[in-house]
Amino acid sequence: AQTVTQSQPEMSVQEAETVTLSCTYDTSESDYYLFWYKQPPSRQMILVIRQEAYKQQNATENRFSVNFQKAAKSFSLKISDSQLGDAAMYFCAYSLSGYGGATNKLIFGTGTLLAVQP
Amino acid sequence: KAGVTQTPRYLIKTRGQQVTLSCSPISGHRSVSWYQQTPGQGLQFLFEYFSETQRNKGNFPGRFSGRQFSNSRSEMNVSTLELGDSALYLCASSLVGGSAYEQYFGPGTRLTVT
Repeated sequence: AQTVTQSQPEMSVQEAETVTLSCTYDTSESDYYLFWYKQPPSRQMILVIRQEAYKQQNATENRFSVNFQKAAKSFSLKISDSQLGDAAMYFCAYSLSGYGGATNKLIFGTGTLLAVQP
Repeated sequence: KAGVTQTPRYLIKTRGQQVTLSCSPISGHRSVSWYQQTPGQGLQFLFEYFSETQRNKGNFPGRFSGRQFSNSRSEMNVSTLELGDSALYLCASSLVGGSAYEQYFGPGTRLTVT
């Protein structure tokens, strides 16, 4: 069975600084997706960034980037130039790869609560 | 384009009752998934529907059921409510299915069972 582990329940960062959130996962599959979702206090879950396992290049979305280490089954999220609006719960998630009729079931980690200090 | 909507947003029920939650996906989306979020168990997958067919189901008792209508709107039902069913129930929609397509989450329904 696939599992996702986030070992940092809480993290704190100063505004404008950089922070890295950790995530490890376990799977016997070779083709899958990894995601970072953000859940602000308003509770609406938002996709931050995603990575396809077969792509070696790390995904980047503006101030958000990942360090994907497939062999180590590690998928960390780096937030650069942290802003007050980045404060939220961050979930790492896994899903088997697929198109069209395939399932898109997400397996989530337990989350990391990020606080941004002004 | 309107986002995923869930109704009601808040609900208080008594143990033993049943409840129905509704999810309206983004227009054009045909896949809807449901998740339960609790402080103790985190985010857990309930089920997934695509074109009115349940495609996948999580490890939940039979008291949890769902369905999808021809307009892609989805409902989930919980019968014989237990205190442990208190949770935030999230639904997510995507264009078709498969993780290649981004899932968009609704704001959730907060269910409290007393």
